[in-house]
Amino acid sequence: EDQVTQSPEALRLQEGESSSLNCSYTVSGLRGLFWYRQDPGKGPEFLFTLYSAGEEKEKERLKATLTKKESFLHITAPKPEDSATYLCAVRTNHNAGKSTFGDGTTLTVKP
Amino acid sequence: NAGVTQTPKFQVLKTGQSMTLQCAQDMNHNSMYWYRQDPGMGLRLIYYSASEGTTDKGEVPNGYNVSRLNKREFSLRLESAAPSQTSVYFCASSYGGKEETQYFGPGTRLLVL
Repeated sequence: EDQVTQSPEALRLQEGESSSLNCSYTVSGLRGLFWYRQDPGKGPEFLFTLYSAGEEKEKERLKATLTKKESFLHITAPKPEDSATYLCAVRTNHNAGKSTFGDGTTLTVKP
Repeated sequence: NAGVTQTPKFQVLKTGQSMTLQCAQDMNHNSMYWYRQDPGMGLRLIYYSASEGTTDKGEVPNGYNVSRLNKREFSLRLESAAPSQTSVYFCASSYGGKEETQYFGPGTRLLVL
């Protein structure tokens, strides 16, 4: 059974205090790992897709990396508007049509 | 270009009542999905449709039925609502094939009393 675990559940940072969110996965045949951002009361919004170990992608203050067992979402010098829940999801070769989501990390950035 | 739209935005049902959640996308996507999200949890897949005319069960299909009406529309039906179905329901779509990025609707908040 595919498993995705995100940590920590909640993270509180001061504005400008860099940190990382973790997504560890236990799957056979990773097809892709996805990061989404979800604001309160809204649907998730796509951030990144990573396909192979060693791959990195960046967008503004966010950088996603992938190893064979986990992915990190690095947040550099965060701002209050980065406050949201960040969701990680995986797709596998044996379940190509389905995504398995982690429970998310809720990030709060205080000014 | 509205993306993925869902109706209604909020609904209150009594136990045993039925209802249909509607979803439509205008991005010419082939695949569509229904998820539920409970407090403090991620998304759990209820049903998905890889292409028009096909549907398949996800992780938590019991108590739900779906209809892929056409390429644009994918509905979720609760035949006899139960309090355990109180949740936020999200519809999503993706182009399919190698392009698996999902685009989500705003959600339907359902309360079953």
